[in-house]
Amino acid sequence: EDQVTQSPEALRLQEGESSSLNCSYTVSGLRGLFWYRQDPGKGPEFLFTLYSAGEEKEKERLKATLTKKESFLHITAPKPEDSATYLCAVQASHDYKLSFGAGTTVTVRA
Amino acid sequence: EADIYQTPRYLVIGTGKKITLECSQTMGHDKMYWYQQDPGMELHLIHYSYGVNSTEKGDLSSESTVSRIRTEHFPLTLESARPSHTSQYLCASSDLGVYGYTFGSGTRLTVV
Repeated sequence: EDQVTQSPEALRLQEGESSSLNCSYTVSGLRGLFWYRQDPGKGPEFLFTLYSAGEEKEKERLKATLTKKESFLHITAPKPEDSATYLCAVQASHDYKLSFGAGTTVTVRA
Repeated sequence: EADIYQTPRYLVIGTGKKITLECSQTMGHDKMYWYQQDPGMELHLIHYSYGVNSTEKGDLSSESTVSRIRTEHFPLTLESARPSHTSQYLCASSDLGVYGYTFGSGTRLTVV
C-alpha cells in the first residue's frame, strides 16, 4: 500500500526565515509526486509535479526536489502570504489515484 | 481559475435527512474523485470514477453513494445523514496531464 508521511506537522517561521518541509513516501512504482497548497476552507491548489529522482521545480519562493524515498519543499525568504497547509501526494504507475500525506501547516509571522 | 464546481459550500442538516452534494467540471476530464477531509487530517478517497457509468469505492469506507451519468457531473448522496458524516467533502477531476488533480472548493457538511 502506498504511504506518504509529511514532517513536521506544523512550522512557525519568521518572515524571511527559510526552511524545508519533508515528504517521505513508499509506492510501488512512482508515476508522479505532487505538491499542493491548501488554504483554510478551500480545496488544494496545484504547485508542482516531480517524476524522477534528481528532478527539481521552482515557483517564486518555493522549490521542490525529489529523491527515490523523499521529497523536500524548500521555502526561501517566506512572506506571510505563504502561510498555508502544504500537501504531498504520490501516484503509482499502475493507477491514477493519489495518496496524500497529512500535510505541514506553515505559519509565517511578519 | 478552477473549472470544477461544488455546491453547496456549506450545509447544516438534521440527522436522518437525505442529501446530495453536487460536483461538476467543465474540463472534459474522464476521471473524477471524492475525498473526505477532517480538520488537520489527510484527505481520504471515498469514491472515484474513470468514466461514465463506472464508479468504485475508495480506500475509506463510506455510507455515501455516487453516480456518473454524464462526464461532467459526479454527485455524492447520503441517504440518511448522521453526525459522524460531519466533515469536508472535496471533489476533484484529472486527465493524464501534469497537474494531478484539479480540486473544487469543497462542501463543509455539518449534521446535527
